[in-house]
Amino acid sequence: AQSVAQPEDQVNVAEGNPLTVKCTYSVSGNPYLFWYVQYPNRGLQFLLKYITGDNLVKGSYGFEAEFNKSQTSFHLKKPSALVSDSALYFCAVRDGVNTGFQKLVFGTGTRLLVSP
Amino acid sequence: KAGVTQTPRYLIKTRGQQVTLSCSPISGHRSVSWYQQTPGQGLQFLFEYFSETQRNKGNFPGRFSGRQFSNSRSEMNVSTLELGDSALYLCASSERDNTEAFFGQGTRLTVV
Repeated sequence: AQSVAQPEDQVNVAEGNPLTVKCTYSVSGNPYLFWYVQYPNRGLQFLLKYITGDNLVKGSYGFEAEFNKSQTSFHLKKPSALVSDSALYFCAVRDGVNTGFQKLVFGTGTRLLVSP
Repeated sequence: KAGVTQTPRYLIKTRGQQVTLSCSPISGHRSVSWYQQTPGQGLQFLFEYFSETQRNKGNFPGRFSGRQFSNSRSEMNVSTLELGDSALYLCASSERDNTEAFFGQGTRLTVV
């Protein structure tokens, strides 16, 4: 069965500093990995995905993520944090073996707080 | 293109009642998935529809059901509502397999 772990409930970072939000996964086949962000009382907003190819994936709003197969990790990163990045971030995995099924398994979420 | 549209945005229902939530996917998207989000359980998959067929179902009781119409619009129904059904219900659509899902704003259901 697929699973995702986000070990940090909250990450605090000062504006202008780099940020990292951690994610590890478990899946039986090749993983399809995603990052989403959620602002208060809103739905999930897609940031980036890894399907295949380069291990460093670039996404929206300056975010990027590094896929590491040996460590089964997919950490979200940004070189310089903004106060407006403060939100709830979710990592998700879809099992690539059962292609055609769009079931996403989400982590518990990490709250990012960027201080001015 | 317009995004995923969910209606209504907010609902208050009484225990024992039933409720229907609606989702209009992005134009051209044929896959629609539903998720329940609660503080205690997080985001949980309910079911996925593709071309009017349910392809996958999460671990929820039979009180939770859904359907998809020929225009890809989807509805989900919850019968005999319980207090624990209070949640944010999110709908997502995908253009094709192996692509990202785009989410709507959600329907906030409160059961009293």
